Amino acid sequence: EIVLTQSPATLSLSPGERATLSCRASQSVSSYLAWYQQRPGQAPRLLIYDASNRATGIPARFSGSGSGTDFSLTISSLEPEDFAVYYCQQRSSSWTFGQGTKVEIK
Amino acid sequence: EVQLLESGGGLVQPGGSLRLSCAASGFTFSSYGMAWVRQAPGKGLEWVSAIGGSGINTFYADSVKGRFTISRDNSKNTLYVQMNNLRADDTALYYCAKERNYRQPFDYWGQGTLVTVSS
Repeated sequence: EIVLTQSPATLSLSPGERATLSCRASQSVSSYLAWYQQRPGQAPRLLIYDASNRATGIPARFSGSGSGTDFSLTISSLEPEDFAVYYCQQRSSSWTFGQGTKVEIK
Repeated sequence: EVQLLESGGGLVQPGGSLRLSCAASGFTFSSYGMAWVRQAPGKGLEWVSAIGGSGINTFYADSVKGRFTISRDNSKNTLYVQMNNLRADDTALYYCAKERNYRQPFDYWGQGTLVTVSS
């Protein structure tokens, strides 16, 4: 099973700041990596698929990069609604999720 | 508009069974793979099972293999998961999710149905 490790566990930032989240795979997943956002009490929302492609309706401030085993999600300027938990997911071999990174207001 | 509506959750004793359903609308159901993803209280997301559009290909997480069975009825636009021999660690909110394309990430999710396994 491919294990995804996200860091940091919690990111404390202020609105307007840049957020960079990391996801590392235990073996190569090529570019088969996605990012989701989950706000409290809501279902997850797909942000990024295939490492760097924004899903429909996702603002341009969200961007993804990486391939192989190291990936990142960048939010260029945090909006109030961006404070949430973010998960990465791989689909190279079965499906697995990372444990999540919480982006909280500093 | 794509809608996914889960049902069938509830309280069940350890060793018991439950069948969850997910009614889909707003897209050509038979053309897309579907999946179940669960979230234990206060925890992260865990992929449980997936099924191809035709229903022939099925996939399971090791944690549920042999106990859960995923299926679909394309004539009713409905996804199912039969859960047997339930354990306390199966307690979670169970989401139904639609694949963006074959074996692609999940672009639509339901709101979930809660399964509680407790005596």
